[in-house]
Amino acid sequence: DAGVIQSPRHEVTEMGQEVTLRCKPISGHNSLFWYRQTMMRGLELLIYFNNNVPIDDSGMPEDRFSAKMPNASFSTLKIQPSEPRDSAVYFCASSYRVSGANVLTFGAGSRLTVL
Amino acid sequence: AQTVTQSQPEMSVQEAETVTLSCTYDTSESDYYLFWYKQPPSRQMILVIRQEAYKQQNATENRFSVNFQKAAKSFSLKISDSQLGDAAMYFCAYAGLIQGAQKLVFGQGTRLTINP
Repeated sequence: DAGVIQSPRHEVTEMGQEVTLRCKPISGHNSLFWYRQTMMRGLELLIYFNNNVPIDDSGMPEDRFSAKMPNASFSTLKIQPSEPRDSAVYFCASSYRVSGANVLTFGAGSRLTVL
Repeated sequence: AQTVTQSQPEMSVQEAETVTLSCTYDTSESDYYLFWYKQPPSRQMILVIRQEAYKQQNATENRFSVNFQKAAKSFSLKISDSQLGDAAMYFCAYAGLIQGAQKLVFGQGTRLTINP
């Protein structure tokens, strides 16, 4: 398996533009997570899907952020409009259950820079 | 709310020596899971080791082992025979039921440097 695949790896955009980050989870994993990593706040969970259904989006910063999972093999995280404070590395992770624990496999991340 | 604290922002160790990274957590749950993840400069997050809270035996994966003290809510990672490739950020993480869903909460990380 190729692992969790994220695109783009790097994105530089201007304030006010729409940004779409994409994720292909590992086949057979039924949970998907979006995390954001910054120096100041560390790793923050934004949203969590189980069987394509959003379970908890309490970590989504504000209405400018939205996430979808139309099927088991694809998810998007959209920021519209983007702001400089959204600059971060965004990770997607998918998971399977081992002895009751969600064992996460992370993608390589998408580094977003908003100018 | 569950929190994870890594009190050592940076650590360094000589190659081939042993180093221990500290982690404490706060929870009122009795059933949960603990993890250590490694993030090298490539920024890929890699699972190092996992511990189930209901297991008393400490988890071990080759040169990596943990010291899980449930009563003290402590979960330290020991790296034996440190190698240059072990240099990375190490994140401790807690997974329990939060608002009805099992979610991973991370500590702030410890940057480990290996001195040749």
